[in-house]
Amino acid sequence: GAVVSQHPSWVICKSGTSVKIECRSLDFQATTMFWYRQFPKQSLMLMATSNEGSKATYEQGVEKDKFLINHASLTLSTLTVTSAHPEDSSFYICSAQNQQGANTGELFFGEGSRLTVL
Amino acid sequence: AQSVTQPDIHITVSEGASLELRCNYSYGATPYLFWYVQSPGQGLQLLLKYFSGDTLVQGIKGFEAEFKRSQSSFNLRKPSVHWSDAAEYFCAVGAGGFKTIFGAGTRLFVKA
Repeated sequence: GAVVSQHPSWVICKSGTSVKIECRSLDFQATTMFWYRQFPKQSLMLMATSNEGSKATYEQGVEKDKFLINHASLTLSTLTVTSAHPEDSSFYICSAQNQQGANTGELFFGEGSRLTVL
Repeated sequence: AQSVTQPDIHITVSEGASLELRCNYSYGATPYLFWYVQSPGQGLQLLLKYFSGDTLVQGIKGFEAEFKRSQSSFNLRKPSVHWSDAAEYFCAVGAGGFKTIFGAGTRLFVKA
């Protein structure tokens, strides 16, 4: 149980285009989902926290107009990188939290999405 | 402030040797503690977790970890490392309020 699926696993796009990454909880309802960015050989950097039906909460320094997050249902959150530029190239990971996790901090992670902007 | 420290950026062990990855945390209340493993180009997989009770917890893939409150530590151990264990390992503490704090990670190299 507690499977999180992230799609696409990798994407290459041209500079100036927008890219959407989906994160789905397959067998549980995710009250909260998180989006991270990971640079090579570094830890996870939390970008934003999203709760179903409400606006995402962005971490300091993360441009909310650049990284649009939508959490339309209890099983789906999307991250859209708008007008992508080469510096946005990175590994993006989502995680989801169920009701118990809201108390303990336990997270279930997607497989990650490698974005390369040419 | 809440924090997680993994003192070792990378560790190299021989296949078949024992392993211990260190993790220290700073948290005001009783912590919820986790170890995750990340293979290259993959997301994170939960190895084990500690919520309460027995301070020695067993996880998947033969890993275990021991919670020591007096030392604010939650070290990960494995008696015999396999080449497939080479990966990045993250210690994390559940800080409540939907927050999980991660350590910087320890990269494990396994030599034949």
